[in-house]
Amino acid sequence: DAGVIQSPRHEVTEMGQEVTLRCKPISGHNSLFWYRQTMMRGLELLIYFNNNVPIDDSGMPEDRFSAKMPNASFSTLKIQPSEPRDSAVYFCASSLVGSYVYEQYFGPGTRLTVT
Amino acid sequence: ILNVEQSPQSLHVQEGDSTNFTCSFPSSNFYALHWYRWETAKSPEALFVMTLNGDEKKKGRISATLNTKEGYSYLYIKGSQPEDSATYLCASSGNTGKLIFGQGTTLQVKP
Repeated sequence: DAGVIQSPRHEVTEMGQEVTLRCKPISGHNSLFWYRQTMMRGLELLIYFNNNVPIDDSGMPEDRFSAKMPNASFSTLKIQPSEPRDSAVYFCASSLVGSYVYEQYFGPGTRLTVT
Repeated sequence: ILNVEQSPQSLHVQEGDSTNFTCSFPSSNFYALHWYRWETAKSPEALFVMTLNGDEKKKGRISATLNTKEGYSYLYIKGSQPEDSATYLCASSGNTGKLIFGQGTTLQVKP
């Protein structure tokens, strides 16, 4: 398996622009997680899906952030409009919740820089 | 304990030293405890998942123990090597799959 795939790996954009991050989970996994890593707050959960349904979005910073999972093999995290404080590394992870051992497998991350 | 807490925040050791870190987590509604290894500029990589009180897991020179009654886990590294330098994260989960991560312990092993 190719593992969790994220694109793009790096994104540089100007303040006010829309940014879309993409994630393809591991085939067969039923849960998908979006995290943000910053120096100040470490690794924080933004939102997670189970069987394509958003379960907990309490970590989404504000209305500028939205996430979708239209099918089991694809998810997007959108920021509109982007702000410099959104600059961070965004990780996607997937797991098979319901099995005895459900490790989360992380993608390589997208480094977002908003200028 | 309401959150997952790790100590120390950072650690510098010499090559060959053995070391250990602590993870404290809420013992109520506990389902599993996860340890991850996170190298700079890479993504977190799962080391262990433990669920039962008294569980011990081992992978090479790295091992972990779990005490669910008192809410702590230890990660041990025997004979640290420079390639062990990384941030070690622990996370607690309920049965929904959602992980609550600690802030991590950053280990630097000097040759």
